[in-house]
Amino acid sequence: EDQVTQSPEALRLQEGESSSLNCSYTVSGLRGLFWYRQDPGKGPEFLFTLYSAGEEKEKERLKATLTKKESFLHITAPKPEDSATYLCAAMNSGYSTLTFGKGTMLLVSP
Amino acid sequence: EPEVTQTPSHQVTQMGQEVILRCVPISNHLYFYWYRQILGQKVEFLVSFYNNEISEKSEIFDDQFSVERPDGSNFTLKIRSTKLEDSAMYFCASSPQTTNEKLFFGSGTQLSVL
Repeated sequence: EDQVTQSPEALRLQEGESSSLNCSYTVSGLRGLFWYRQDPGKGPEFLFTLYSAGEEKEKERLKATLTKKESFLHITAPKPEDSATYLCAAMNSGYSTLTFGKGTMLLVSP
Repeated sequence: EPEVTQTPSHQVTQMGQEVILRCVPISNHLYFYWYRQILGQKVEFLVSFYNNEISEKSEIFDDQFSVERPDGSNFTLKIRSTKLEDSAMYFCASSPQTTNEKLFFGSGTQLSVL
């Protein structure tokens, strides 16, 4: 059974204080590792897809990296508007469905 | 920017009643999905739909659930006889061409079963 585990569950940062979120995955042949941002009461908003170990993608203050067992979402000099829940999801090679982690709730204080 | 639209945003129903949740996917997308999120829990896959038929479904998607694309724009999820445990946020999603492309999610329908 595919599993995705995210840590920490919650993270509180000061504005400008960089950190990383972790996503550990166990899937039968990874087709893609996805990162989404979810604001309260909203649907997940796509951030990145990573396909193979060693791949990195960046968007503004966010950078996602992938190894054979984990993915990290690095947040550099975060701002209060980066506050959200960040979801990691894995897609295995046999199916087109996403297995989500529980998410990391990020709060950035000014 | 095109977006997935879901209606209603909130639905309250009595246990045993039928509900239909509606979605308008992005117009040129080919793959459609329903996911749900029970409060405090993970987003869970329910069903995927391609070429007017179900392509995959999870164990959650039992005989009480059905999906339909009644016309060229709408995609619906029907729950025939709702249970208390069906209370959740239901998300519709669509993707353009291949199944490992990014999914675009709607804002969800919060279903409360009393």
